[in-house]
Amino acid sequence: QSVLTQPPSASGTPGQRVTISCSGGSSNIGSNTINWYQQLPGTAPKLLIYNNNQRPSGVPDRFSASKSGTSASLAISGLQSEDEADYYCAAWDDSLNGWEFGGGTKLTVL
Amino acid sequence: QVQLVQSGPEVKKPGASVKVSCKASGYTFSAYYIHWVRQAPGQGLEWMGRINPNSGGTNYALKFQGRVTMTSDTSIGTAYMELRSLTSDDTAVYYCARLVVVPGAKWFDPWGQGTLVTVSS
Repeated sequence: QSVLTQPPSASGTPGQRVTISCSGGSSNIGSNTINWYQQLPGTAPKLLIYNNNQRPSGVPDRFSASKSGTSASLAISGLQSEDEADYYCAAWDDSLNGWEFGGGTKLTVL
Repeated sequence: QVQLVQSGPEVKKPGASVKVSCKASGYTFSAYYIHWVRQAPGQGLEWMGRINPNSGGTNYALKFQGRVTMTSDTSIGTAYMELRSLTSDDTAVYYCARLVVVPGAKWFDPWGQGTLVTVSS
């Protein structure tokens, strides 16, 4: 059972906008920044969003994220087939003194 | 470019140990912590611990304390993760990742390509 809670699945059609939520608590999301990682099938995770809402160079601006209190969300607009992947949120947990990942959300592009 | 390259797949018997390496390039190895994260088949990501290559200092997730040892060799820019007393539950892909830290934020980037460790009799 992950400390950070994500929906196990999400889906959308090409061009649509989808959002993925990540819910935590005061010791993780509530007091630390959150990051999002994209894991394409059969590959290692890749940094998608850092410091709550910052995109690394090379990540399309179709990807955006926000954080409020103990929850965060990732939004993907103009959905494309290549966005089909697993998405993970992650945050440091002050109580557990370690990194916590959400359980992951499998995004399907219909 | 900044890159982490891990050692190849391993097959181990229950009760054995495995040591995975992670070679860094494209940056000053001693300036960034290396973390280890594993992913069991079809499952999510699980943080195992980290090493400060500059000091050798380590912190391990409670679940792995007593069974894992993380080390580094700054002369060759390589970090290692050894896991002992393996069981089938340790079958997973093991990733190393560099921790980037700025005031008020930190994140993993990049990640190694992953090392599949299979535990089977």
